[in-house]
Amino acid sequence: EAGVTQFPSHSVIEKGQTVTLRCDPISGHDNLYWYRRVMGKEIKFLLHFVKESKQDESGMPNNRFLAERTGGTYSTLKVQPAELEDSGVYFCASSQGSGTNNEQFFGPGTRLTVL
Amino acid sequence: EDQVTQSPEALRLQEGESSSLNCSYTVSGLRGLFWYRQDPGKGPEFLFTLYSAGEEKEKERLKATLTKKESFLHITAPKPEDSATYLCAVQAWDNDMRFGAGTRLTVKP
Repeated sequence: EAGVTQFPSHSVIEKGQTVTLRCDPISGHDNLYWYRRVMGKEIKFLLHFVKESKQDESGMPNNRFLAERTGGTYSTLKVQPAELEDSGVYFCASSQGSGTNNEQFFGPGTRLTVL
Repeated sequence: EDQVTQSPEALRLQEGESSSLNCSYTVSGLRGLFWYRQDPGKGPEFLFTLYSAGEEKEKERLKATLTKKESFLHITAPKPEDSATYLCAVQAWDNDMRFGAGTRLTVKP
């Protein structure tokens, strides 16, 4: 069974540009999460989808970040316009989320560098 | 506010030298405590979930335990391939996961 996949693996952009990250969760997982790790800090929650609905977006840093999950399958995270402080590794995770089956399985991450 | 503190930040062991990693937490209503392993350039790899105080889980050389305030990840007779960053995360019933900063483990042959 395929795990969580993310694209691209690396992205280098200039300040002010737009970048879109993609996440494909494990098939059948209704729950999809975005996290971010900036240099020297712990992994921090950004938002949580249940199917196509945003369950919790309390971790989104500001309105330059837009996440979508059309059709409840893959998700995209767009940063527009990108700022220097947005650099870091963006992780996506998915889970079944029912009862005790709430383990989250992570993708390899997208390393974003904003110059 | 939910908090997760891991110690030590880094740990260097000789192959075969057993030790423990600590994860102290405060959370309003624990849904689960999770241990992950992360290798450089990769995403966190799920290891264990613990749900209640007194619970223990084992996998190969790893054993995770849970109390009401902390969790330990015991590593018995580690091998160089156990070298990685070990992450602890807690999930409350009304919240999503909060991660600790991790413990970077190096096991020397």
